[in-house]
Amino acid sequence: EAEVAQSPRYKITEKSQAVAFWCDPISGHATLYWYRQILGQGPELLVQFQDESVVDDSQLPKDRFSAERLKGVDSTLKIQPAELGDSAMYLCASSPSRSGANVLTFGAGSRLTVL
Amino acid sequence: KQEVTQIPAALSVPEGENLVLNCSFTDSAIYNLQWFRQDPGKGLTSLLLIQSSQREQTSGRLNASLDKSSGRSTLYIAASQPGDSATYLCAVRGSGGSNYKLTFGKGTLLTVNP
Repeated sequence: EAEVAQSPRYKITEKSQAVAFWCDPISGHATLYWYRQILGQGPELLVQFQDESVVDDSQLPKDRFSAERLKGVDSTLKIQPAELGDSAMYLCASSPSRSGANVLTFGAGSRLTVL
Repeated sequence: KQEVTQIPAALSVPEGENLVLNCSFTDSAIYNLQWFRQDPGKGLTSLLLIQSSQREQTSGRLNASLDKSSGRSTLYIAASQPGDSATYLCAVRGSGGSNYKLTFGKGTLLTVNP
């Protein structure tokens, strides 16, 4: 069964350091999402890509976060500098549909701890 | 702004019981609604997707219903098993604009005791 791959699974870093997460969606999925989930909360959308274009990054803290999806396949989410409040699970999801009508498939997530 | 609320926040039941998880949303103009399961420290697994024109969806022991006009959905789990223990999340996709944003509730933590 096709999966959304994410790495690293776990990352511990000190505040002010840079950190990057990688996501490889299911082959052929046009839409890619990055979500942040703080412990005990539901996931919140950070950025949505349609192919290589950003569709929604209204909740992305652009002073420290950046995301790209070059060539419309895999994607990287970067945080620089990391802050204590960034400790969370970072989830990547993909969907075949440009309209959002289909099921989202999530990866296993990347858990970030900022010390 | 769409808000999604899940009640109860936590639920503990003995094995074999039938149970209902509730989800409510403030804006009834939705495109679809999804129920997810999340095991501790893991990603989300989609359980059921209900389009706005549908009333319910079934998969095995799971049945999800949708009442769009009242802004409510329920997830019914029949004959619960210890393996059903997880957090269950409800998410609604808006129908306005071109991004069809998905808004999640905080989830219900379910514990099924042997």
